Amino acid sequence: AQSVAQPEDQVNVAEGNPLTVKCTYSVSGNPYLFWYVQYPNRGLQFLLKYITGDNLVKGSYGFEAEFNKSQTSFHLKKPSALVSDSALYFCAVRDMGSSNTGKLIFGQGTTLQVKP
Amino acid sequence: IAGITQAPTSQILAAGRRMTLRCTQDMRHNAMYWYRQDLGLGLRLIHYSNTAGTTGKGEVPDGYSVSRANTDDFPLTLASAVPSQTSVYFCASSLAGGYTDTQYFGPGTRLTVL
Repeated sequence: AQSVAQPEDQVNVAEGNPLTVKCTYSVSGNPYLFWYVQYPNRGLQFLLKYITGDNLVKGSYGFEAEFNKSQTSFHLKKPSALVSDSALYFCAVRDMGSSNTGKLIFGQGTTLQVKP
Repeated sequence: IAGITQAPTSQILAAGRRMTLRCTQDMRHNAMYWYRQDLGLGLRLIHYSNTAGTTGKGEVPDGYSVSRANTDDFPLTLASAVPSQTSVYFCASSLAGGYTDTQYFGPGTRLTVL
């Protein structure tokens, strides 16, 4: 079965420090991976995606993610965290099942807290 | 402003009542989706539509129905609401139903069924 795991419920980091939000996946075939951010009482905003090519994907707001096929991971990173980055982050993988429902399989989410 | 709008923003509903959540997009996207978000479970797909006139069932379709009469609108109906349908509902759309297409989400509807 295809799945996504975000092993940390919460990540705490000081402003100005680098941040990493972890994501691992399990899919059959090539994975199509996405990161979204959700601010309080708001919808999900797309950050970046990996389809193919360069393993380091750059996205919105200075975020990037590194695809690692051998470790089946797609960790979200940012070199210098801002207090305004505090939010709920979701990793997702496209369901590659036989019926193309378009479904994204989401992890349970990781709350990022950036402290001044 | 281009994007997805959802209505209502929030709603408290008595069990057994019928409710329609509205979703409209102005990006001329062919594919649209309804997800529900529950604490600790991430988002789960309820129904989808790859193009106007077609719909399909997602992961958790029971108790919900959808229609897609045109490209822009994708309403979600709860025929007889139950408390387990208390959730936050997100509508999303993508250019097509392709595996690599990005899905863009609306602001959500918070529904409480008592």
